[in-house]
Amino acid sequence: DAMVIQNPRYQVTQFGKPVTLSCSQTLNHNVMYWYQQKSSQAPKLLFHYYDKDFNNEADTPDNFQSRRPNTSFCFLDIRSPGLGDAAMYLCATSKGPTSGGLQETQYFGPGTRLLVL
Amino acid sequence: GIQVEQSPPDLILQEGANSTLRCNFSDSVNNLQWFHQNPWGQLINLFYIPSGTKQNGRLSATTVATERYSLLYISSSQTTDSGVYFCAVERNDYKLSFGAGTTVTVRA
Repeated sequence: DAMVIQNPRYQVTQFGKPVTLSCSQTLNHNVMYWYQQKSSQAPKLLFHYYDKDFNNEADTPDNFQSRRPNTSFCFLDIRSPGLGDAAMYLCATSKGPTSGGLQETQYFGPGTRLLVL
Repeated sequence: GIQVEQSPPDLILQEGANSTLRCNFSDSVNNLQWFHQNPWGQLINLFYIPSGTKQNGRLSATTVATERYSLLYISSSQTTDSGVYFCAVERNDYKLSFGAGTTVTVRA
C-alpha cells in the first residue's frame, strides 16, 4: 500500500547530541511537511518542501534543519536537541494543488516520538 | 493567520451515543480535513471536506464554507472512537492550520 513511513518510531537522544529523523513516501507527492506536536497540543508546522523548494516557518528555531535528497525521502535534523525539543514529530505529504486550485489531502505518517535525556 | 476553533474541548460519551463536534474558521479555505489521533499518536484522515457533506460508516461530516464552519458527526459511538479529533484548514499556501482538538472519551 502507498504510504508515509517514519523511522524510527521512538528515538532517545542525549541533550546536545545531534539526531536525524527520517520520512519516506511511496505516494509520489510533491509536498512533504514536518510537524512538531507536544503533549496535549495541536501539531505545529516546522517547514515544508514543494519539490526541492524549501519553506521554513518564521518561528522554527535554527536548531531544526531539513533535507530532501529526492522525491521520496525527507529528513529532519535537530542539531543540538534540548529538553524542550522532546515531542512527537510528524511527517506528512500532499500532492499539491489541483488544476482547479484546491489543495489536496495531507497524509500523515505514524510519527517519531523523541525523548531527550 | 487563520483562526480555527473547535468545540467542545472535551466530550465524554456512553457507548452507543451520538455526538457532534464543531469547527469554526475565520476565513475562506481551500481545504478542510478532519483527523482522528489515536492513542499511539497517529493522525488518521477521516474526511477531506472543503464543502458539502460526506459519510464514511458511522462518521459523517458537513462543511458550510460560506458560513465558515464544519461539523463532524459520530453515531453509535464505540470505545475505539476515543482519541483526539482535529479539524485543520488550509488556504492557498499548502499549510494546514489546526484547531486545538476535541478529546473524546467513549465509556463502555
